[in-house]
Amino acid sequence: GDSVTQMEGPVTLSEEAFLTINCTYTATGYPSLFWYVQYPGEGLQLLLKATKADDKGSNKGFEATYRKETTSFHLEKGSVQVSDSAVYFCALSRSRLKLSFGAGTTVTVRA
Amino acid sequence: SQTIHQWPATLVQPVGSPLSLECTVEGTSNPNLYWYRQAAGRGLQLLFYSVGIGQISSEVPQNLSASRPQDRQFILSSKKLLLSDSGFYLCAWSVPGNTGELFFGEGSRLTVL
Repeated sequence: GDSVTQMEGPVTLSEEAFLTINCTYTATGYPSLFWYVQYPGEGLQLLLKATKADDKGSNKGFEATYRKETTSFHLEKGSVQVSDSAVYFCALSRSRLKLSFGAGTTVTVRA
Repeated sequence: SQTIHQWPATLVQPVGSPLSLECTVEGTSNPNLYWYRQAAGRGLQLLFYSVGIGQISSEVPQNLSASRPQDRQFILSSKKLLLSDSGFYLCAWSVPGNTGELFFGEGSRLTVL
């Protein structure tokens, strides 16, 4: 079945540091890939997405590129802020009906 | 614009008591609706989804049930809660036929004692 594996946290960074969260997937066909973010005490919200190979999703300074050859969708941000502290979830959708989520990576940015 | 509301936001219940969590969506018609659970230190687990009134699909066997009595209303229930039912429950909706993007509510934290 479909599955998503993302790097385990927690990740602790200083402000202005570079952030990478690895995500790899297992799925047949050509799934759509997503990164969701969950700020403390809130539900999830979509951060970015990519629907086909080599697409790059970007939002709020975050980027991720859909790499079919490595089945990966790593999340990056060049300079994090304290406000980026959150839990980040990688997800895939193959059926347009259901999403499969990774376990989530907790990121804490210190001033 | 579309909005999603779920309540209550926080709930503390004794083992063996019933549960009802409610979710409503505004500003859209015939959405796909979902209940996810996020247990402490774990990822998101899809519990139920619905593509229409009265149509419920269960993803995992468990102590919970779901119902969709109206187009934009989704209810998560239990007759007798277990300790293992504790967690953060998230309702979500999506546009049918979309690329799978979900819009989440703010969540309901359930503690079973």
